[in-house]
Amino acid sequence: DAKTTQPTSMDCAEGRAANLPCNHSTISGNEYVYWYRQIHSQGPQYIIHGLKNNETNEMASLIITEDRKSSTLILPHATLRDTAVYYCIVYNQGGKLIFGQGTELSVKP
Amino acid sequence: AGVTQTPRYLIKTRGQQVTLRCSPISGHSSVSWYQQAPGQGPQFIFEYANELRRSEGNFPNRFSGRQFHDCCSEMNVSALELGDSALYLCARSSREEIGELFFGEGSRLTVL
Repeated sequence: DAKTTQPTSMDCAEGRAANLPCNHSTISGNEYVYWYRQIHSQGPQYIIHGLKNNETNEMASLIITEDRKSSTLILPHATLRDTAVYYCIVYNQGGKLIFGQGTELSVKP
Repeated sequence: AGVTQTPRYLIKTRGQQVTLRCSPISGHSSVSWYQQAPGQGPQFIFEYANELRRSEGNFPNRFSGRQFHDCCSEMNVSALELGDSALYLCARSSREEIGELFFGEGSRLTVL
């Protein structure tokens, strides 16, 4: 079973920041937080991951709370092409990625 | 990521079998297979590394797979059931980050 809880859906205005929350209150000390997204009719795409420090790459930023029980994926300037299902995954290296149902993000003009 | 899955779409009837293909899978990469039902997240089927099954999810023995050295991977599903209708995704691992997978676009199977 997925170890994360995400809102089912969210809307965001084009050009604004999209903040996608994820709760993972049972995360263990050696487990990472991974984010993937899946655009309609495509396979999932890796976005970013982190352990306890905040991370940033060319796609997004990941903010992990100090107690590591929740995190937020930030898309700083959402575009229409960012419309997708976003999956937050708790991953133990050596294990397998377990996807939940994700958050369906709709970016609107 | 260059992962190609074939066929992209196929229709089968109950009781038949199907073979799905995933390529390329280069050396030192593991390959994982997932099943995605409509409106659901992908569900892990199994993972192969060095041509051996390394881990598996909760799928029946009707689901089997192979990894070929420096080439590709196949998944076979026998005795198809209506509930097997889904998008089947193949993913290869990154050589740098173990949790970073590169997915293909999937094979959409419809069982009638």
